[in-house]
Amino acid sequence: EAQVTQNPRYLITVTGKKLTVTCSQNMNHEYMSWYRQDPGLGLRQIYYSMNVEVTDKGDVPEGYKVSRKEKRNFPLILESPSPNQTSLYFCASRGGTSGLYEQYFGPGTRLTVT
Amino acid sequence: LAKTTQPISMDSYEGQEVNITCSHNNIATNDYITWYQQFPSQGPRFIIQGYKTKVTNEVASLFIPADRKSSTLSLPRVSLSDTAVYYCLVVFNTDKLIFGTGTRLQVFP
Repeated sequence: EAQVTQNPRYLITVTGKKLTVTCSQNMNHEYMSWYRQDPGLGLRQIYYSMNVEVTDKGDVPEGYKVSRKEKRNFPLILESPSPNQTSLYFCASRGGTSGLYEQYFGPGTRLTVT
Repeated sequence: LAKTTQPISMDSYEGQEVNITCSHNNIATNDYITWYQQFPSQGPRFIIQGYKTKVTNEVASLFIPADRKSSTLSLPRVSLSDTAVYYCLVVFNTDKLIFGTGTRLQVFP
């Protein structure tokens, strides 16, 4: 089954404790992205990757890091989480064919930073 | 950087047609317009995509005028299960994707 998986689905942590949210897709997609969703703000892109070892900032990259060492995986790293990073996070992927922007979203990771 | 604007919310009744409009004044020549649907606590789901004029699939229609500064998602004969948030997405020159604010559609019996 074609899918995007994220782990963990729920995470409660404390300020400053490094964490990683994993994202994996099994569709051989070139493009992957991370979004955060906050009430009243909709979905905002954090980082995106156009292929292995190629990443770029989205709208709200501050406080986040990403890496793309393998095509299928795109982990989101919070080196020193802060309470303002409490949010619902979604990973997404899509194929690279020009003009087609159908993204497949993961189930989401709800992160709480205390 | 251009932004998209949608109504915050809309109400409808089962069986009615619903039209949601998104404005995107600074859309670039090669950009596409895409709409997504999102239910609570789930990731968004692709609905439809278009470049100009009209596109129709089994779920919805998308109308884009010649100047492409706006687009309208049309949902025929909505049901209770269409209650969701609908996002307008315009893809710019790079892969930097920007979602609209979203329109919360509430369908009543």
